[in-house]
Amino acid sequence: KNEVEQSPQNLTAQEGEFITINCSYSVGISALHWLQQHPGGGIVSLFMLSSGKKKHGRLIATINIQEKHSSLHITASHPRDSAVYICAVSHGSSNTGKLIFGQGTTLQVKP
Amino acid sequence: EPEVTQTPSHQVTQMGQEVILRCVPISNHLYFYWYRQILGQKVEFLVSFYNNEISEKSEIFDDQFSVERPDGSNFTLKIRSTKLEDSAMYFCASSALMNTEAFFGQGTRLTVV
Repeated sequence: KNEVEQSPQNLTAQEGEFITINCSYSVGISALHWLQQHPGGGIVSLFMLSSGKKKHGRLIATINIQEKHSSLHITASHPRDSAVYICAVSHGSSNTGKLIFGQGTTLQVKP
Repeated sequence: EPEVTQTPSHQVTQMGQEVILRCVPISNHLYFYWYRQILGQKVEFLVSFYNNEISEKSEIFDDQFSVERPDGSNFTLKIRSTKLEDSAMYFCASSALMNTEAFFGQGTRLTVV
């Protein structure tokens, strides 16, 4: 069983729609990261959180430590949001800060 | 804005050849990582490096792999004798402290033929 599971695997939305991507994990964590990967392959960090909620522009990330669940929301989605969104966790028992990745959610926003 | 840079962006090599993938982490960062992503699969941890030594490595990181920080700025991943299954995107990442935000390079796409 994967330690980090994301849903859905693929998501198609119309421009302007509200989007939610979910992440569940099965291990104790120090922090959870939301990352964005564009078709060229590069990975960009969106959020790192260990509790509560963070907001940056149209992106909102929440985490529920008790339920071991996090969500990434995109408000007023736009075609430029099309990318792979990846959830990754820093294992709570690791003393190296390595990340364990989910399989990613491929988002396509159509105009 | 500081960034992690990787070179080359794409490398094609013959099976059995040695390759060196290069990374320049952000200058004041202390923790360095290599990850890889086989096409269509999730990103996997290879190795972490701190205080000039490997702090953790995965099962993937066998004797064919090595890392080095030769001069205080570069961080390299060497694969001694490449196999077809080493074909993947390799990402370098760094963070200032453990469990702080990770900054990734743009990746090196390695193709072994």
